[in-house]
Amino acid sequence: AQSVAQPEDQVNVAEGNPLTVKCTYSVSGNPYLFWYVQYPNRGLQFLLKYITGDNLVKGSYGFEAEFNKSQTSFHLKKPSALVSDSALYFCAVRNYGQNFVFGPGTRLSVLP
Amino acid sequence: DVKVTQSSRYLVKRTGEKVFLECVQDMDHENMFWYRQDPGLGLRLIYFSYDVKMKEKGDIPEGYSVSREKKERFSLILESASTNQTSMYLCASRPQPSSKNIQYFGAGTRLSVL
Repeated sequence: AQSVAQPEDQVNVAEGNPLTVKCTYSVSGNPYLFWYVQYPNRGLQFLLKYITGDNLVKGSYGFEAEFNKSQTSFHLKKPSALVSDSALYFCAVRNYGQNFVFGPGTRLSVLP
Repeated sequence: DVKVTQSSRYLVKRTGEKVFLECVQDMDHENMFWYRQDPGLGLRLIYFSYDVKMKEKGDIPEGYSVSREKKERFSLILESASTNQTSMYLCASRPQPSSKNIQYFGAGTRLSVL
C-alpha cells in the first residue's frame, strides 16, 4: 500500500531564510512524487514532480525538491522564503497504475 | 490553461437532504476525481472515473455516489446528507496517459451540513 507522511503540521520561517517542508513516502515499485500548494480558499496548485532522472527537481515559484531513494524522502525546499509562500503544502505519491495518495499537509508560515 | 470549475464555493444543507456537487473541466480529460479535504487528514479519494459512464470507488465512498454522463462533467451526490459530511470537497481532472501526468484541481466546495 502507498502512504505519505509529512511529519510537521506547521513550519515557521522568517522571510529571507531558507525553508524545508519534509515528506517521506512508502510505495512498492518506482514512485512518482509530487508537491502541491493550496492558498486560502483555493484548490490545489501543482508545484513540481519527480518521475525519473535528476534527483533535484525544480518547480514553480523558485521551489525545488530532492528525491532521496535510500531515505524514501522528497523534501520541498526554497533558498529564500517570501511572505507570499505562506500556504498549505501537500506531498503526494503514486506508482504506475495507481491513484494519488496525499499526505496530511504542512502549513507554512513565513514571518515578515 | 486547464480549467476545472466547481459550481458552488459554499453550500449549506440540512441533514437528510440530497446534495449535488457539480464539476466541469474544459480540457477533454479522461480521468476525473472527487476528494474530500479535512484538517490533518489531507485529501481522501471518494470516487473516480476513467471515462464516460465509468466510475470506481476510492478510499471513502460510503454515503456518496457519482455520475458521469458526459466527459466534461463529474457530479458527486450525497443521497442523504449527514453532519459528518461537512467538509471541503475538491474535484480534479487528469489526461491520459495518466502515469506521469499531474492532476488539475478546482477551487473547492465547502459544504456545511446542519
